[in-house]
Amino acid sequence: DTAVSQTPKYLVTQMGNDKSIKCEQNLGHDTMYWYKQDSKKFLKIMFSYNNKELIINETVPNRFSPKSPDKAHLNLHINSLELGDSAVYFCASSPDSETQYFGPGTRLLVL
Amino acid sequence: GEDVEQSLFLSVREGDSSVINCTYTDSSSTYLYWYKQEPGAGLQLLTYIFSNMDMKQDQRLTVLLNKKDKHLSLRIADTQTGDSAIYFCAERTPNAGKSTFGDGTTLTVKP
Repeated sequence: DTAVSQTPKYLVTQMGNDKSIKCEQNLGHDTMYWYKQDSKKFLKIMFSYNNKELIINETVPNRFSPKSPDKAHLNLHINSLELGDSAVYFCASSPDSETQYFGPGTRLLVL
Repeated sequence: GEDVEQSLFLSVREGDSSVINCTYTDSSSTYLYWYKQEPGAGLQLLTYIFSNMDMKQDQRLTVLLNKKDKHLSLRIADTQTGDSAIYFCAERTPNAGKSTFGDGTTLTVKP
């Protein structure tokens, strides 16, 4: 009955590979987000989707492509992974402009 | 654009009060949040305050908002070792569609 879930929890991969991270929320929220938390723990928004439509893209390289097949899912595909992509990626969802609920994070390590 | 700043580290003794400070730049911020991130975990919403409030208290947590100075603080009374975590301040404006996070304050509670 996890509210916001992400898979995988850990991802270790080689530079140059393509990988996907999945996010699902069972809260019925309209808006979903991807955040990146770097090694210094700084948290930055990457994308926001509302009802499957992209509403925010914070100058993220186009190697990152979010996909929302339905309102409950927001997946993140990353092409040609680079060392600097190593981070923790958090998915979040919100029902309104007040609150966000975060997933547990996906720890990505690019070797 | 919006900016949210926090000091990066705070160390207190168990049983003391902790005060974590945050400043923000966007005067149209409507919601201000405090999130807690324990090691290896996701972000947990602790509390939030509307911009038309000065103070909010929730058990050991007291949030103070000085809208004139754009200053937000989180006071944790009787700090426990389990309170050791990173605390993120965040602000949200109604039309921004996203929250802007500070860089987080690492709170260390010493026995």
